[in-house]
Amino acid sequence: AQSVAQPEDQVNVAEGNPLTVKCTYSVSGNPYLFWYVQYPNRGLQFLLKYITGDNLVKGSYGFEAEFNKSQTSFHLKKPSALVSDSALYFCAVRDISGASGTYKYIFGTGTRLKVLA
Amino acid sequence: EAGVTQSPTHLIKTRGQQATLRCSPISGHTSVYWYQQALGLGLQFLLWYDEGEERNRGNFPPRFSGRQFPNYSSELNVNALELEDSALYLCASRARAPYNEQFFGPGTRLTVL
Repeated sequence: AQSVAQPEDQVNVAEGNPLTVKCTYSVSGNPYLFWYVQYPNRGLQFLLKYITGDNLVKGSYGFEAEFNKSQTSFHLKKPSALVSDSALYFCAVRDISGASGTYKYIFGTGTRLKVLA
Repeated sequence: EAGVTQSPTHLIKTRGQQATLRCSPISGHTSVYWYQQALGLGLQFLLWYDEGEERNRGNFPPRFSGRQFPNYSSELNVNALELEDSALYLCASRARAPYNEQFFGPGTRLTVL
């Protein structure tokens, strides 16, 4: 079964410093990978995705993610963190299962990012 | 363009009652997904509807059910409510392939007393 892991419950970073939020995945095929952000009392917002192509994917709000097939990782990065980036971040993978090709999206448990002023 | 909308924002029920949650997808999106976000448990996949049919469901008991209407809106029904059903229920919509990303609504906070 396909899965996604976010090994850190919380990441703290000083404003202006680079940030990394980690994600590793397990798939039986080509991965479809996603990052979402959730602000307090809000739904999730789509940040970026990797389907195919360049390993470095650029997304919203200055975020980018690097797909690494050998390490089965898809870490989220930003060169300079802002206090307003403080939120809950979710990595997700699309899981294709069954002969009919039905699929679902599997989310990690989330990483809380705290950017300190 | 309007985003995904969900109603009600908050819902308070007692054990054994039934709850109905509603979702309107982004215009043109045909797929609707339902997730449960309980405290500390991340997002758990509940149901996927596409073109009016249930395409997949997660590991939830049959008392969690739903449907999708001809206008692609959807409702989630939870029967015989239990205390542990208290959670934020999120709906997401997705356009037809080749688009893969989901767009989420703000959620319905269900509290079971």
